[in-house]
Amino acid sequence: DIVMTQSPATLSVSPGERATLSCRASQSVSSDLAWYQQKPGQAPRLLIFGISTRATGIPARFSGSGSGREFTLTISILQSEDCGVYYCQQYNNWPGTFGQGTKLEIK
Amino acid sequence: QVHLVQSGAEVKKPGASVKISCRASGYTFTTHGFSWVRQAPGQGLEWLGWISADNGNRNYAEDIQGRVTLTTDTSTSTAYMELRSLRLDDTAMYYCARDHPARVGYLDSWGQGTLVTVAS
Repeated sequence: DIVMTQSPATLSVSPGERATLSCRASQSVSSDLAWYQQKPGQAPRLLIFGISTRATGIPARFSGSGSGREFTLTISILQSEDCGVYYCQQYNNWPGTFGQGTKLEIK
Repeated sequence: QVHLVQSGAEVKKPGASVKISCRASGYTFTTHGFSWVRQAPGQGLEWLGWISADNGNRNYAEDIQGRVTLTTDTSTSTAYMELRSLRLDDTAMYYCARDHPARVGYLDSWGQGTLVTVAS
């Protein structure tokens, strides 16, 4: 299985600042990389697929980048409602695998 | 809009089975597949399996293969996950999510989750 490793485990950022979350795959996943946001007590929500395509209704302050094995989710101009746990997922190989998550805290 | 509604919470004893339903609406059922993902308390996301609602093709995670069966009922636009021989560490929130019709992909809509508690 492809192992997805996210860093950092916890990130604390002030409102209005930029948050950068990283995800590394144990082997190339081509462009088959997605990001999800999960808030406490809720199901995950798709933010980004295909490395950089925002899902329907996702604000432009969320952007994805990267290639091959290294990927980044950037949240520019952080807002208080952006707190939660963020997961990356690869869907290039069976089984689709998730990273362990990055918890984003708002200072 | 796409809506996935899952069945309610379950409490089971070790060794028992559980079957969770996921009713879809807002789109043509057979144009997508379903993945099932679980989340143990305080833990991350674990992908369990995928099924095509078009042709019934399916794939299961190796760790759970043999204990899980995914099915769909196109007449009611409902996907099902059955997990057998339950163990204490199967206690988790179980999610269905809409997926690609022909392969595992990104999950663009999720059910609200079904909490399965396994306790003696």
